[in-house]
Amino acid sequence: AQSVAQPEDQVNVAEGNPLTVKCTYSVSGNPYLFWYVQYPNRGLQFLLKYITGDNLVKGSYGFEAEFNKSQTSFHLKKPSALVSDSALYFCAVRDNTGTASKLTFGTGTRLQVTL
Amino acid sequence: DGGITQSPKYLFRKEGQNVTLSCEQNLNHDAMYWYRQDPGQGLRLIYYSQIVNDFQKGDIAEGYSVSREKKESFPLTVTSAQKNPTAFYLCASSILGLSYEQYFGPGTRLTVT
Repeated sequence: AQSVAQPEDQVNVAEGNPLTVKCTYSVSGNPYLFWYVQYPNRGLQFLLKYITGDNLVKGSYGFEAEFNKSQTSFHLKKPSALVSDSALYFCAVRDNTGTASKLTFGTGTRLQVTL
Repeated sequence: DGGITQSPKYLFRKEGQNVTLSCEQNLNHDAMYWYRQDPGQGLRLIYYSQIVNDFQKGDIAEGYSVSREKKESFPLTVTSAQKNPTAFYLCASSILGLSYEQYFGPGTRLTVT
């Protein structure tokens, strides 16, 4: 069965500094990986995905993620953090045994960006 | 959240009562999903459906039931058999296929006392 680990419950960064939110995964076969963001009392918003191709994936709001097959990682990055980026971030891996797009989510990392 | 509506946003029920959460989508997606979110546990899959009149159990289906009579609608019933029903419930939909992301509704916060 597939799994996702987000080793940090919270990441703190100053506005303007680069940020990284870590994610490692375990899955049989080719990985299909996703990042979502959640603001308080809201649903999840899709940020980006890795399906195949370039290891550096660009997404919404200036976020990008680096896929590393040898380290089974898919870390979320942003060159310059904004206070408005403060939210809960989820990494997810796709169950690739069927077409129903079942996702397994990590436990989430809370990003706090301060002035 | 676009294209997926969940109602109500907040729901309060007494223990022992069944309650139904609504989920509607106008994205013409074939697949729909229900997740439960608890603090520190991420999202856990309750049920999912790939086609009308068909659905499958997810990882935590006990105490829940669903129906899929229309492509646009996937209501979730939290029954009295669910031992710890207080949670934030999220509905999602997607195109069928490995590479497609899921789109989420705004969620329903259920409190059972």
